[in-house]
Amino acid sequence: QQQVKQSPQSLIVQKGGISIINCAYENTAFDYFPWYQQFPGKGPALLIAIRPDVSEKKEGRFTISFNKSAKQFSLHIMDSQPGDSATYFCAASKTGANNLFFGTGTRLTVIP
Amino acid sequence: GAGVSQSPSNKVTEKGKDVELRCDPISGHTALYWYRQSLGQGLEFLIYFQGNSAPDKSGLPSDRFSAERTGGSVSTLTIQRTQQEDSAVYLCASSLASGTGGSAFFGQGTRLTVV
Repeated sequence: QQQVKQSPQSLIVQKGGISIINCAYENTAFDYFPWYQQFPGKGPALLIAIRPDVSEKKEGRFTISFNKSAKQFSLHIMDSQPGDSATYFCAASKTGANNLFFGTGTRLTVIP
Repeated sequence: GAGVSQSPSNKVTEKGKDVELRCDPISGHTALYWYRQSLGQGLEFLIYFQGNSAPDKSGLPSDRFSAERTGGSVSTLTIQRTQQEDSAVYLCASSLASGTGGSAFFGQGTRLTVV
């Protein structure tokens, strides 16, 4: 059973455009929602994370929007750049848990 | 080292053989995780170590899989009698804090191919 559902599977965006990746979860006990960025041949790297006490968190060109009632959260990449081309994973966990539940990933390609 | 180090980077093994994958976590990190990443899939939790506590083995897919962590530092993931479905990238991560694992730092992974 997939605890976190992620879409789309792949995304192509023009340079300068906005990339949007969506995730949904079922377990209302989840209270930590990070996004990871993974380049080929590398391990995932923490990009940005949010807790449900806020609806939005912004770090540079990356923003997480969180909708607690809908149990959804999304990653927005503003002014997308070719260097942003990577696979992005959303994840969720709950306090006291020993693991993160990951989405299946979105392969983003930013075209120059 | 500065980051999580995993070895080998790539491993090709014959079906039925045993393999050992190694993880050197970031110095001082008490929590250590193993995940498996299959092609086109998300990361699948395997096992978690925290200090001297008993590990959380709830994610191990079968009794062919085992892991240990010596001295609270280096960890070894062992797969016995490998099968083709074991082919995947095995990722290790470590973090300072237990619990959410959200601040986990990943290694580059070991790509295992069972032929």
